[in-house]
Amino acid sequence: GEDVEQSLFLSVREGDSSVINCTYTDSSSTYLYWYKQEPGAGLQLLTYIFSNMDMKQDQRLTVLLNKKDKHLSLRIADTQTGDSAIYFCAERRGQAGTALIFGKGTTLSVSS
Amino acid sequence: GAVVSQHPSRVICKSGTSVKIECRSLDFQATTMFWYRQFPKKSLMLMATSNEGSKATYEQGVEKDKFLINHASLTLSTLTVTSAHPEDSSFYICSARTGLHEQYFGPGTRLTVT
Repeated sequence: GEDVEQSLFLSVREGDSSVINCTYTDSSSTYLYWYKQEPGAGLQLLTYIFSNMDMKQDQRLTVLLNKKDKHLSLRIADTQTGDSAIYFCAERRGQAGTALIFGKGTTLSVSS
Repeated sequence: GAVVSQHPSRVICKSGTSVKIECRSLDFQATTMFWYRQFPKKSLMLMATSNEGSKATYEQGVEKDKFLINHASLTLSTLTVTSAHPEDSSFYICSARTGLHEQYFGPGTRLTVT
């Protein structure tokens, strides 16, 4: 099947904003997710957005969804060194019972 | 939050042997568990969906006789890699789902086949 695409690396300075982009594949995807994976830890759900929404904000996180272009982005305001991790976008295709399809992940590196 | 554990975290085995990986939901019951495989610099690849008390549903290209999945209870699913070969070396991650958005991931198991 088609892949969920993400850029592989992003490097920012502490205090700057980070924007991680993702292109998903299925226009009928109902929900889109952002997960964070720190070394040695499991994936942690950061946030999700329903496909009929354009934007969702949750504290330092802002998710933008362009359904026409099938483009999803995650903006992290005031990025901290603790935000350094791999960020995965994922789409849930079809019905509620189906699993998530993940992108390859974007490694975010935050320098002080 | 909900915790999913995996055991072992790392395992090294010889080619031709079988390895069992356990996935447990520690403080909740999960009707559905998923098994993923993660390659270096690659996304998580869904291997199979496991529902308690029924046979697992495997994704296309995943050999069900090689990757045996058992979901015997609402808190335990196991993945057995049978007759392992070096190309099976990978990072295996399980997740447990309790609701539409409530899907929790284990820390993963690093399998190395020598």
